[in-house]
Amino acid sequence: IAGITQAPTSQILAAGRRMTLRCTQDMRHNAMYWYRQDLGLGLRLIHYSNTAGTTGKGEVPDGYSVSRANTDDFPLTLASAVPSQTSVYFCASSEASGSLSEQFFGPGTRLTVL
Amino acid sequence: GQNIDQPTEMTATEGAIVQINCTYQTSGFNGLFWYQQHAGEAPTFLSYNVLDGLEEKGRFSSFLSRSKGYSYLLLKELQMKDSASYLCAVINSNYQLIWGAGTKLIIKP
Repeated sequence: IAGITQAPTSQILAAGRRMTLRCTQDMRHNAMYWYRQDLGLGLRLIHYSNTAGTTGKGEVPDGYSVSRANTDDFPLTLASAVPSQTSVYFCASSEASGSLSEQFFGPGTRLTVL
Repeated sequence: GQNIDQPTEMTATEGAIVQINCTYQTSGFNGLFWYQQHAGEAPTFLSYNVLDGLEEKGRFSSFLSRSKGYSYLLLKELQMKDSASYLCAVINSNYQLIWGAGTKLIIKP
């Protein structure tokens, strides 16, 4: 089934630990995105990648890093988690870069940092 | 700054019509999206407007006025399954997607 998957579904993490959220798409989309969604706030872009091998910073990149070694995978790493990173994280992809095409979202990862 | 404004919450009756408004102030404009998000799920695409006017797609329609910085999503013949949050998002001149906080729509029988 074509789509975008994320792992894990949820995670409870101690502050200071390192964590990688995984994201894989099989639609051969060029662009991929990581968002966080907090209650009362809109989706906020953390990092994005317009094509394999390139990445860029979004609105709230501090404390997060990404890599895009190939078209399909776009992992998000929290080097040293803090409680303010408690959130729901969504990965998304789109056929075209520059936000001009529909974004397809993964099911999300609910992360709690204690 | 860049801002997207939507009502936080709206309530409507099954079978009725509801209009969800979105106003935006962004650095430039290259299009506007509406997404639907059911509780605990991912957002899914509903519509895209780049030119002024109304785009109709089944029970859902989306309207855009670029001169007024305004859009609305119109939902007709409301069903209980339409209970969800509706997200407005604008592409600015730097091709960044700016998201509103969403409108939670509650449908009552």
